[in-house]
Amino acid sequence: AQSVTQLDSHVSVSEGTPVLLRCNYSSSYSPSLFWYVQHPNKGLQLLLKYTSAATLVKGINGFEAEFKKSETSFHLTKPSAHMSDAAEYFCVVRPASGGGADGLTFGKGTHLIIQP
Amino acid sequence: KAGVTQTPRYLIKTRGQQVTLSCSPISGHRSVSWYQQTPGQGLQFLFEYFSETQRNKGNFPGRFSGRQFSNSRSEMNVSTLELGDSALYLCASSSGTDTDTQYFGPGTRLTVL
Repeated sequence: AQSVTQLDSHVSVSEGTPVLLRCNYSSSYSPSLFWYVQHPNKGLQLLLKYTSAATLVKGINGFEAEFKKSETSFHLTKPSAHMSDAAEYFCVVRPASGGGADGLTFGKGTHLIIQP
Repeated sequence: KAGVTQTPRYLIKTRGQQVTLSCSPISGHRSVSWYQQTPGQGLQFLFEYFSETQRNKGNFPGRFSGRQFSNSRSEMNVSTLELGDSALYLCASSSGTDTDTQYFGPGTRLTVL
């Protein structure tokens, strides 16, 4: 079974400062890892994904994440926050089961607040 | 390509009724997954369909069911609605391989009174 822990339910940063959203996972198999973003009253948009290629993954809108197997972490970062980044962010794991597909397992989400 | 579409976007039902939600995947995608999002439980996997067959199922009661048609469109049904079924129901489509990306629709907001 897999699980995801987002270590902060809320993160507040000032516009122009770095963003760090923390995620730890556990999975019985080599997982695929994702970050999705959800703006109010909208569906989920994929930011980036890791699938056992490069450990540093670049995504859209300047976001990137680093896969650290030894720490079972997949933290999301952005060098400079923008007001439009204010949203809910979800860390997601899906094991590479090799057979049929399992559903995505979502973290509880981190609410990112951008202060002007 | 058009994205994932879900209909209706909003729905209000009363306890005991049943409801059917529809999802049209991205063209060429053969897998459709359904998720329930609530403030208390977050996002939870309901089930996944691939080529008209349920491939995996989450931990939900039998009142929740689904199906997929030959054109990959999917429906989910909830019978005997309960107040706790009020949620945003999200559909996601993908090509169906292990490492592929799921693309989400805007969701259907179900309110049970």
